[in-house]
Amino acid sequence: TQLLEQSPQFLSIQEGENLTVYCNSSSVFSSLQWYRQEPGEGPVLLVTVVTGGEVKKLKRLTFQFGDARKDSSLHITAAQPGDTGLYLCAGPNFGNEKLTFGTGTRLTIIP
Amino acid sequence: NAGVTQTPKFQVLKTGQSMTLQCAQDMNHNSMYWYRQDPGMGLRLIYYSASEGTTDKGEVPNGYNVSRLNKREFSLRLESAAPSQTSVYFCASKRHTGTASGGYEQYFGPGTRLTVT
Repeated sequence: TQLLEQSPQFLSIQEGENLTVYCNSSSVFSSLQWYRQEPGEGPVLLVTVVTGGEVKKLKRLTFQFGDARKDSSLHITAAQPGDTGLYLCAGPNFGNEKLTFGTGTRLTIIP
Repeated sequence: NAGVTQTPKFQVLKTGQSMTLQCAQDMNHNSMYWYRQDPGMGLRLIYYSASEGTTDKGEVPNGYNVSRLNKREFSLRLESAAPSQTSVYFCASKRHTGTASGGYEQYFGPGTRLTVT
């Protein structure tokens, strides 16, 4: 089974600051996904990155897939309290039939 | 359009009791999944069903059984609950998409919070 490690595990910053969280593996993935999970709810898909080196933007969130397709990063600009949540990366194995999830980064934005 | 629904939302069991967690999706997806989520361990796959009538083990299947009742419903059963099964359980279904967007998207239910004492 391919493993995904996320860092940092916890991050607490002030509103308005920038931050980057990371998702790393020793294995190559055909794609990687990022999910956000709010307390008491299930994860919600934010983005899928498919091509090595790809950069996707979702408002203040920027997602990048590593050139070798072994890692990904999520950068948030001018963080807001609404960005608070658990951020999970996930990658497919056994074709696209199953997903492997990272352990997550729990982000808290302090107003 | 309700998406993925799960019942119950909360449950407390005593060691040795049994229960069934229910999951249904109204998006006509073929694949459905059961995960458990524990602090510091992310989401771990218990069982999945690639299509109606088929089920396969995931990463942590011991102590669980599943039934894919029809295309909409996928249930998870604990025959004899143990404290180690205290967790939050999520059901998910998968939609196939175009290759350019990765080929798939998973949709999750709101979860069942299970405590075994």
